Amino acid sequence: GAVVSQHPSRVICKSGTSVKIECRSLDFQATTMFWYRQFPKQSLMLMATSNEGSKATYEQGVEKDKFLINHASLTLSTLTVTSAHPEDSSFYICSAPGTGGGQPQHFGDGTRLSIL
Amino acid sequence: GDSVTQMEGPVTLSEEAFLTINCTYTATGYPSLFWYVQYPGEGLQLLLKATKADDKGSNKGFEATYRKETTSFHLEKGSVQVSDSAVYFCALSDRGSGSRLTFGEGTQLTVNP
Repeated sequence: GAVVSQHPSRVICKSGTSVKIECRSLDFQATTMFWYRQFPKQSLMLMATSNEGSKATYEQGVEKDKFLINHASLTLSTLTVTSAHPEDSSFYICSAPGTGGGQPQHFGDGTRLSIL
Repeated sequence: GDSVTQMEGPVTLSEEAFLTINCTYTATGYPSLFWYVQYPGEGLQLLLKATKADDKGSNKGFEATYRKETTSFHLEKGSVQVSDSAVYFCALSDRGSGSRLTFGEGTQLTVNP
Protein backbone atom coordinates (compact mmCIF):
# COMPACT_ATOMS: atom_id res chain seq x y z
CA GLY A 1 0.00 0.00 0.00
CA ALA A 2 0.95 3.63 -0.39
CA VAL A 3 3.29 4.97 2.24
CA VAL A 4 2.95 8.59 1.13
CA SER A 5 -0.45 10.07 0.43
CA GLN A 6 -0.74 13.19 -1.71
CA HIS A 7 -3.96 15.13 -2.10
CA PRO A 8 -5.62 16.32 -4.27
CA SER A 9 -4.67 14.31 -7.31
CA ARG A 10 -6.01 16.90 -9.71
CA VAL A 11 -6.92 20.55 -9.45
CA ILE A 12 -8.41 22.83 -12.08
CA CYS A 13 -8.91 26.41 -11.06
CA LYS A 14 -8.99 29.99 -12.25
CA SER A 15 -6.00 32.27 -12.48
CA GLY A 16 -5.36 34.13 -9.23
CA THR A 17 -6.50 31.29 -7.01
CA SER A 18 -4.27 29.85 -4.32
CA VAL A 19 -4.02 26.08 -4.24
CA LYS A 20 -2.88 23.91 -1.34
CA ILE A 21 -1.41 20.45 -1.87
CA GLU A 22 -0.97 18.06 1.04
CA CYS A 23 1.61 15.34 1.46
CA ARG A 24 1.22 12.87 4.31
CA SER A 25 3.50 10.09 5.41
CA LEU A 26 1.53 7.03 6.45
CA ASP A 27 2.72 4.85 9.31
CA PHE A 28 6.05 6.62 9.62
CA GLN A 29 7.41 9.99 10.59
CA ALA A 30 9.15 12.24 8.12
CA THR A 31 11.17 15.14 9.45
CA THR A 32 12.07 15.94 5.87
CA MET A 33 9.97 15.87 2.73
CA PHE A 34 10.80 16.93 -0.80
CA TRP A 35 8.67 18.75 -3.33
CA TYR A 36 9.30 18.24 -7.04
CA ARG A 37 7.83 19.77 -10.13
CA GLN A 38 7.55 17.94 -13.42
CA PHE A 39 6.82 19.59 -16.75
CA PRO A 40 5.30 17.50 -19.55
CA LYS A 41 7.73 14.92 -20.87
CA GLN A 42 10.50 16.23 -18.66
CA SER A 43 12.29 15.10 -15.57
CA LEU A 44 11.55 15.99 -11.99
CA MET A 45 13.04 19.19 -10.68
CA LEU A 46 13.51 19.57 -6.96
CA MET A 47 11.75 22.70 -5.80
CA ALA A 48 12.36 22.64 -2.08
CA THR A 49 13.13 20.56 0.96
CA SER A 50 10.48 20.75 3.66
CA ASN A 51 11.79 20.56 7.21
CA GLU A 52 9.59 19.84 10.20
CA GLY A 53 9.80 22.64 12.71
CA SER A 54 11.90 24.96 10.58
CA LYS A 55 11.87 26.86 7.33
CA ALA A 56 11.92 25.07 4.02
CA THR A 57 15.05 25.11 1.92
CA TYR A 58 14.34 26.30 -1.61
CA GLU A 59 16.32 25.48 -4.72
CA GLN A 60 17.81 28.27 -6.73
CA GLY A 61 15.26 30.00 -8.91
CA VAL A 62 12.21 28.87 -6.93
CA GLU A 63 10.16 31.75 -5.58
CA LYS A 64 9.61 31.37 -1.86
CA ASP A 65 6.64 33.70 -1.80
CA LYS A 66 5.04 31.89 -4.70
CA PHE A 67 5.43 28.38 -3.37
CA LEU A 68 4.76 28.36 0.35
CA ILE A 69 5.79 25.27 2.22
CA ASN A 70 4.69 24.36 5.71
CA HIS A 71 5.81 21.23 7.52
CA ALA A 72 3.26 21.32 10.31
CA SER A 73 3.90 17.93 11.84
CA LEU A 74 6.05 14.85 11.48
CA THR A 75 3.56 13.39 9.01
CA LEU A 76 2.32 16.38 7.03
CA SER A 77 3.85 18.86 4.63
CA THR A 78 1.86 21.28 2.51
CA LEU A 79 2.72 23.20 -0.62
CA THR A 80 0.60 26.25 -1.40
CA VAL A 81 0.83 27.78 -4.85
CA THR A 82 -0.20 31.37 -4.22
CA SER A 83 -2.04 33.44 -6.80
CA ALA A 84 -1.57 30.75 -9.38
CA HIS A 85 -1.21 31.60 -13.05
CA PRO A 86 -1.25 29.41 -16.17
CA GLU A 87 2.54 29.09 -16.13
CA ASP A 88 2.24 27.36 -12.75
CA SER A 89 0.33 24.52 -14.37
CA SER A 90 2.38 21.39 -13.84
CA PHE A 91 2.61 18.04 -12.10
CA TYR A 92 3.75 18.39 -8.50
CA ILE A 93 5.09 15.41 -6.60
CA CYS A 94 6.15 15.05 -2.99
CA SER A 95 8.36 12.44 -1.43
CA ALA A 96 9.58 11.35 1.95
CA PRO A 97 12.87 9.56 2.50
CA GLY A 98 12.96 6.05 3.83
CA THR A 99 14.82 5.32 7.02
CA GLY A 100 18.41 4.20 7.00
CA GLY A 101 21.25 4.95 4.65
CA GLY A 102 20.70 4.35 0.95
CA GLN A 103 17.00 3.83 1.34
CA PRO A 104 14.76 5.01 -1.45
CA GLN A 105 12.31 7.80 -1.19
CA HIS A 106 8.61 7.13 -1.11
CA PHE A 107 6.66 9.22 -3.57
CA GLY A 108 3.14 10.47 -3.54
CA ASP A 109 0.99 9.92 -6.61
CA GLY A 110 1.36 13.54 -7.65
CA THR A 111 -1.00 16.46 -8.18
CA ARG A 112 -1.92 17.64 -11.65
CA LEU A 113 -2.45 21.39 -11.38
CA SER A 114 -4.17 23.17 -14.25
CA ILE A 115 -4.67 26.92 -14.09
CA LEU A 116 -7.14 28.36 -16.56
CA GLY B 1 27.49 18.98 -8.46
CA ASP B 2 25.80 15.62 -8.90
CA SER B 3 24.24 14.78 -12.23
CA VAL B 4 22.59 11.88 -14.03
CA THR B 5 22.48 11.39 -17.79
CA GLN B 6 20.10 8.98 -19.47
CA MET B 7 19.89 7.87 -23.04
CA GLU B 8 17.50 9.92 -25.05
CA GLY B 9 14.10 8.55 -25.83
CA PRO B 10 11.56 7.70 -26.74
CA VAL B 11 12.27 4.00 -27.11
CA THR B 12 9.82 1.80 -28.99
CA LEU B 13 10.12 -1.97 -28.90
CA SER B 14 8.10 -4.99 -29.82
CA GLU B 15 6.93 -7.35 -27.13
CA GLU B 16 9.62 -9.83 -26.00
CA ALA B 17 12.44 -7.63 -27.27
CA PHE B 18 15.55 -6.93 -25.20
CA LEU B 19 15.69 -3.59 -23.44
CA THR B 20 18.66 -1.45 -22.44
CA ILE B 21 18.36 2.07 -21.11
CA ASN B 22 21.74 3.66 -20.48
CA CYS B 23 22.44 5.75 -17.41
CA THR B 24 25.67 7.40 -16.33
CA TYR B 25 26.30 9.62 -13.36
CA THR B 26 28.70 12.05 -11.77
CA ALA B 27 28.87 12.44 -8.03
CA THR B 28 31.35 13.74 -5.50
CA GLY B 29 30.75 11.00 -2.95
CA TYR B 30 29.61 7.39 -3.04
CA PRO B 31 26.01 7.59 -4.15
CA SER B 32 23.19 5.12 -4.03
CA LEU B 33 21.63 4.52 -7.42
CA PHE B 34 18.00 3.96 -8.30
CA TRP B 35 15.67 3.30 -11.16
CA TYR B 36 12.14 4.65 -10.81
CA VAL B 37 9.20 3.99 -13.11
CA GLN B 38 6.30 6.34 -13.78
CA TYR B 39 3.11 5.08 -15.38
CA PRO B 40 0.86 7.60 -17.13
CA GLY B 41 -0.74 10.05 -14.73
CA GLU B 42 0.88 8.52 -11.68
CA GLY B 43 3.71 9.25 -9.30
CA LEU B 44 7.03 7.44 -9.21
CA GLN B 45 7.55 3.88 -8.06
CA LEU B 46 10.89 2.44 -7.09
CA LEU B 47 11.88 -0.25 -9.56
CA LEU B 48 15.27 -1.25 -8.18
CA LYS B 49 18.30 0.11 -6.39
CA ALA B 50 21.98 -0.48 -5.65
CA THR B 51 23.92 1.06 -2.81
CA LYS B 52 27.53 0.20 -3.57
CA ALA B 53 29.86 -0.72 -6.39
CA ASP B 54 29.17 -4.05 -8.14
CA ASP B 55 25.76 -4.40 -6.50
CA LYS B 56 23.06 -5.64 -8.83
CA GLY B 57 19.53 -4.46 -8.32
CA SER B 58 16.72 -6.53 -9.76
CA ASN B 59 12.94 -6.53 -9.80
CA LYS B 60 10.19 -7.71 -12.15
CA GLY B 61 12.75 -9.00 -14.64
CA PHE B 62 14.65 -5.71 -14.74
CA GLU B 63 18.29 -5.55 -13.70
CA ALA B 64 20.96 -2.90 -13.27
CA THR B 65 24.52 -3.19 -12.00
CA TYR B 66 26.37 -0.41 -10.18
CA ARG B 67 29.57 0.07 -12.17
CA LYS B 68 31.88 2.45 -10.40
CA GLU B 69 34.65 2.19 -12.99
CA THR B 70 32.36 3.39 -15.76
CA THR B 71 30.04 5.42 -13.46
CA SER B 72 27.07 3.66 -15.00
CA PHE B 73 23.84 1.99 -13.93
CA HIS B 74 22.26 0.73 -17.13
CA LEU B 75 18.78 -0.79 -16.95
CA GLU B 76 18.15 -4.07 -18.78
CA LYS B 77 15.32 -6.51 -19.31
CA GLY B 78 15.50 -9.61 -21.41
CA SER B 79 11.94 -9.69 -22.65
CA VAL B 80 9.70 -6.64 -22.37
CA GLN B 81 5.93 -6.71 -22.14
CA VAL B 82 3.29 -4.21 -23.18
CA SER B 83 2.69 -3.50 -19.51
CA ASP B 84 6.28 -2.23 -19.20
CA SER B 85 5.35 0.85 -21.22
CA ALA B 86 6.15 3.80 -18.95
CA VAL B 87 8.75 6.47 -18.29
CA TYR B 88 11.91 5.27 -16.57
CA PHE B 89 14.07 7.55 -14.45
CA CYS B 90 17.59 6.89 -13.29
CA ALA B 91 18.46 8.71 -10.07
CA LEU B 92 21.15 9.02 -7.46
CA SER B 93 21.24 9.95 -3.84
CA ASP B 94 24.49 11.23 -2.46
CA ARG B 95 24.86 10.23 1.17
CA GLY B 96 25.88 13.71 2.03
CA SER B 97 22.76 15.24 0.51
CA GLY B 98 20.17 14.19 3.04
CA SER B 99 18.43 11.70 0.75
CA ARG B 100 17.55 14.22 -1.93
CA LEU B 101 17.46 12.65 -5.35
CA THR B 102 19.02 13.86 -8.56
CA PHE B 103 17.13 12.55 -11.57
CA GLY B 104 18.04 11.84 -15.13
CA GLU B 105 15.91 13.17 -17.93
CA GLY B 106 13.66 10.13 -18.10
CA THR B 107 13.19 7.70 -20.97
CA GLN B 108 9.79 6.99 -22.43
CA LEU B 109 9.40 3.30 -23.29
CA THR B 110 6.59 2.06 -25.50
CA VAL B 111 6.17 -1.66 -26.04
CA ASN B 112 3.94 -2.72 -28.90
CA PRO B 113 2.18 -6.09 -29.05
